Amino acid sequence: KAGVTQTPRYLIKTRGQQVTLSCSPISGHRSVSWYQQTPGQGLQFLFEYFSETQRNKGNFPGRFSGRQFSNSRSEMNVSTLELGDSALYLCASSLGGLGTYEQYFGPGTRLTVT
Amino acid sequence: SQKIEQNSEALNIQEGKTATLTCNYTNYSPAYLQWYRQDPGRGPVFLLLIRENEKEKRKERLKVTFDTTLKQSLFHITASQPADSATYLCALEDSGTYKYIFGTGTRLKVLA
Repeated sequence: KAGVTQTPRYLIKTRGQQVTLSCSPISGHRSVSWYQQTPGQGLQFLFEYFSETQRNKGNFPGRFSGRQFSNSRSEMNVSTLELGDSALYLCASSLGGLGTYEQYFGPGTRLTVT
Repeated sequence: SQKIEQNSEALNIQEGKTATLTCNYTNYSPAYLQWYRQDPGRGPVFLLLIRENEKEKRKERLKVTFDTTLKQSLFHITASQPADSATYLCALEDSGTYKYIFGTGTRLKVLA
């Protein structure tokens, strides 16, 4: 079974721009969650989508948004990029709830904001 | 405040010994707790899940304990090998707020 894929793998943007990241979950998985990982803050939960509905949200500003499509693929958008948004963005898919099912992570998208 | 703490320093142990990693949480009420392994430049990989009514869970050389009174989980790797060298993360979903939180991670290095 194919794993979680994320595109693009690397991205360089300038401050003020916006960016869209994509995540394709494992076939059959309806939950997709997004995380930001930085050396200083560690792995932080952004949001979770299940059957096209945002079910849970972390403590990030409204510049961070996402959506999920009917085929469970998900996109994450960051508007008005700031230098502090430079990070590894990971998505993960699972069969159901975050705490109750194992999550399968993708390789991540490395975003650099200059 | 709410937080999850893991051994902040790197843990170095000799090959063949048992590695013990800790995960302490405050002000959360998790029904489940998970452990993941992360190698540099890669996404975390799920290892074990333990429920609040389970005291212990095992999988091959791995063992996890969960003490809701102490608000602590311990993660053991027996007969450790250099290939076990990685960062290990604990994670939980708070049953009150449904927030999903990862610990800070512990970097384990197994010396040959």
